[in-house]
Amino acid sequence: GAGVSQSPSNKVTEKGKDVELRCDPISGHTALYWYRQSLGQGLEFLIYFQGNSAPDKSGLPSDRFSAERTGGSVSTLTIQRTQQEDSAVYLCASSEWGYNEQFFGPGTRLTVL
Amino acid sequence: EDKVVQSPLSLVVHEGDTVTLNCSYEVTNFRSLLWYKQEKKAPTFLFMLTSSGIEKKSGRLSSILDKKELFSILNITATQTGDSAVYLCAAKKDNNDMRFGAGTRLTVKP
Repeated sequence: GAGVSQSPSNKVTEKGKDVELRCDPISGHTALYWYRQSLGQGLEFLIYFQGNSAPDKSGLPSDRFSAERTGGSVSTLTIQRTQQEDSAVYLCASSEWGYNEQFFGPGTRLTVL
Repeated sequence: EDKVVQSPLSLVVHEGDTVTLNCSYEVTNFRSLLWYKQEKKAPTFLFMLTSSGIEKKSGRLSSILDKKELFSILNITATQTGDSAVYLCAAKKDNNDMRFGAGTRLTVKP
C-alpha cells in the first residue's frame, strides 16, 4: 500500500509568513509523529498524536508551532511568523498502535529567507 | 533531561571493513532502542531492541542493547559503498515519545 506522504516537498517562504505542512499517514496507523531535522542534526521530536487522545506537544519549540490531526488521519503542522531558524526538514512518521516501527514520509524542506 | 549520544559522529572506512557504531542513552521511562538508516530525507527502520543481551541480526547488520550500561551498538560487517549513510539511534519512552541521537555519518570508500 501507499506509504506516508508529505506535502509540499519543498517550501521557501519569507520571514514572518505562516506556513502549513501536511502529512498523510499510512491508512490505519493510529500514531503520528512530527520531527524536525536541522542541517547536520539528529531528529528533534515535535509532537505526537495517538488515536483520539490529546496530543503530546512537549517537543514544540515555541507557541508559533501548532499541529492538528483531523479525523484521526491527515495532520497539518503550522508554523506562524516563521523565523530563519525554522529552516529545516520536517519529517512525519506513522505507526500502528503498540508497534515500535515508524514509517517516515519523504519530508518537507522548509527554507525561511 | 533526556540524552541520546552517538559516536563517532563520522566514520570513513573502505569496502570490506567492519564498523561498530555506538549509542548511549539517558532517558526516563525508557522502553526500547531503535536504529535507523538515513540516506536522503526519510530514515528507514533497521532494528528495535527491548531486551538486554539479545542480538538482532539482518544480513551484515547486527545490534545489541545493554540496559544496565545504557548503550547499544550497531555492527556492520563486510561494508559496502551502499552502506554509506547516516545511522540514527532513538530511545523510545513509555509514552511513545522518541529521542534521537545526532547520528553517525558513515562513508564507505571503494
